[in-house]
Amino acid sequence: AQRVTQPEKLLSVFKGAPVELKCNYSYSGSPELFWYVQYSRQRLQLLLRHISRESIKGFTADLNKGETSFHLKKPFAQEEDSAMYYCALHSGGYQKVTFGTGTKLQVIP
Amino acid sequence: SAVISQKPSRDICQRGTSLTIQCQVDSQVTMMFWYRQQPGQSLTLIATANQGSEATYESGFVIDKFPISRPNLTFSTLTVSNMSPEDSSIYLCSVAGTGEGETQYFGPGTRLLVL
Repeated sequence: AQRVTQPEKLLSVFKGAPVELKCNYSYSGSPELFWYVQYSRQRLQLLLRHISRESIKGFTADLNKGETSFHLKKPFAQEEDSAMYYCALHSGGYQKVTFGTGTKLQVIP
Repeated sequence: SAVISQKPSRDICQRGTSLTIQCQVDSQVTMMFWYRQQPGQSLTLIATANQGSEATYESGFVIDKFPISRPNLTFSTLTVSNMSPEDSSIYLCSVAGTGEGETQYFGPGTRLLVL
């Protein structure tokens, strides 16, 4: 069975400090991993995907198959980064998605 | 990308009643998904809805409780039947992009409170 673990429910950092949101996964196949973000009063939306190797809003995430991790990082947190972040594993021919429990990032001014 | 709307955006219902949630997409999509997000919890997939066939339910969810319709490629409904307070949750509709590495696009959700 596939599983996504986000160990931190809440992460508080000061503005300008580095951010790392942890995500570990368990999956027997070749994983497709994503980070989704939900800002206050907005719908859930894609932040970035591992296959694109992109940096969005200063965030990056590297898939580490050896450690089965996909941690989300940003060198300098901004107040507008405050949101709920979900790590997700896409699998199956019909794009079944397994979500982690989410981490609330709170950036303190 | 896809733009998804849901109706109603929120509702307060009495136990024992049923509520049907509508999901409309601005483009034709093969697969639509229904999720539940209970208070303080992550998103849990309820079922996958394909046009022209019965929905595929995940473990712990059954058709009698959550009947789904998918009459065409842009629309789906989820009914929460015989509601109890434990059904209080946010229900989200989503659609899958196509191709490898494509994301899912989510509706704004329907916030349901059962008294």
